[in-house]
Amino acid sequence: AQSVTQLGSHVSVSEGALVLLRCNYSSSVPPYLFWYVQYPNQGLQLLLKYTTGATLVKGINGFEAEFKKSETSFHLTKPSAHMSDAAEYFCASGGDSSYKLIFGSGTRLLVRP
Amino acid sequence: ETGVTQSPTHLIKTRGQQVTLRCSSQSGHNTVSWYQQALGQGPQFIFQYYREEENGRGNFPPRFSGLQFPNYSSELNVNALELDDSALYLCASSLRAQRGTEAFFGQGTRLTVV
Repeated sequence: AQSVTQLGSHVSVSEGALVLLRCNYSSSVPPYLFWYVQYPNQGLQLLLKYTTGATLVKGINGFEAEFKKSETSFHLTKPSAHMSDAAEYFCASGGDSSYKLIFGSGTRLLVRP
Repeated sequence: ETGVTQSPTHLIKTRGQQVTLRCSSQSGHNTVSWYQQALGQGPQFIFQYYREEENGRGNFPPRFSGLQFPNYSSELNVNALELDDSALYLCASSLRAQRGTEAFFGQGTRLTVV
């Protein structure tokens, strides 16, 4: 069955430090992968997506993610954290169906001044 | 271009009651999906509507039902509310019902069942 696992429910970094949020997926077909961000009391905003082609995907707000098929991973990174990056981040897979996204349980990013 | 809008933003209902949540899809989008996000969890797929027909359903009981209208707006209806139905309900619209098509989410409706 299709699934998405996010390692670490909470990640804390200092402002200016590297951000690394981990996501692993399982899918019986080549996956389509997404990262969304959710600010308090708001909906989800798409950061980036991987469908086919280049495995390093650049998104908004300086985020990027690399699709690694051999590791079944799609980790999200940002070279330098900003206070405004504090939010909940969700990895999602649109794997074996056209009609739904499978979300991970989320990682809350805390940015320390 | 207007985004996805949901109404109401907050709602309090009593166990056993019925509720209707509304969603206006982004301009030009013909596909609407509904998700339930319980506190501290990721969104769970409820169902999707494509051109007014249900196009797929998640693991939710029949008391969760929906509609899509000719203008592609949508409703989510929940009958016989239970305490566990308390959650943020998210609507997402997309340009088409195909793998890899990105979904645009509304701000959600926070439902509290007491």
